[in-house]
Amino acid sequence: GAVVSQHPSRVICKSGTSVKIECRSLDFQATTMFWYRQFPKQSLMLMATSNEGSKATYEQGVEKDKFLINHASLTLSTLTVTSAHPEDSSFYICSAPGAYNEQFFGPGTRLTVL
Amino acid sequence: GENVEQHPSTLSVQEGDSAVIKCTYSDSASNYFPWYKQELGKGPQLIIDIRSNVGEKKDQRIAVTLNKTAKHFSLHITETQPEDSAVYFCAASIRYGNQFYFGTGTSLTVIP
Repeated sequence: GAVVSQHPSRVICKSGTSVKIECRSLDFQATTMFWYRQFPKQSLMLMATSNEGSKATYEQGVEKDKFLINHASLTLSTLTVTSAHPEDSSFYICSAPGAYNEQFFGPGTRLTVL
Repeated sequence: GENVEQHPSTLSVQEGDSAVIKCTYSDSASNYFPWYKQELGKGPQLIIDIRSNVGEKKDQRIAVTLNKTAKHFSLHITETQPEDSAVYFCAASIRYGNQFYFGTGTSLTVIP
């Protein structure tokens, strides 16, 4: 199957700082990518849909000014958590659709805000 | 919108036994139903999927069945092994590029 990478895999930051997470489709192009957040022992919660060349679409309750998404190319989407606080600590996962609607997920990024 | 329910939330089986996880969905327009395995600290990995024009699909020890009329689909794992222990998520999707609606997950433990 297709491969989606995420970087970094783990990040620890101080409260008030911003953190950028990259999501790359390695061997295919993706005009759409999805960003999820997952709390321990819970399901994946869709945060936003990243669209190449246009604005991201955010799910209800997700602050777009706090979670900035940029889909700069057909293989790269970035999620920036601005002014991070401890409650933003979570596991962030991206995905990209393959040719037949299957979703390929990245390995996830563990964010810890101190 | 679509609502996907998944049962059970936890499942323990003896090594070698079978495991069955069930999901129901609400939107009859959904036509793609994947199953994901997620190990601790990792992203979900697609293990099998089925589309609405098929009733059953099998890949070695893993099979998925779909009942469109009843709007439910199930994951069957036979001859379970300890390495099958993980959290399994079902999902439903309506069309290409559209978001997936995930079930709440099943934590499977295979006891050696």
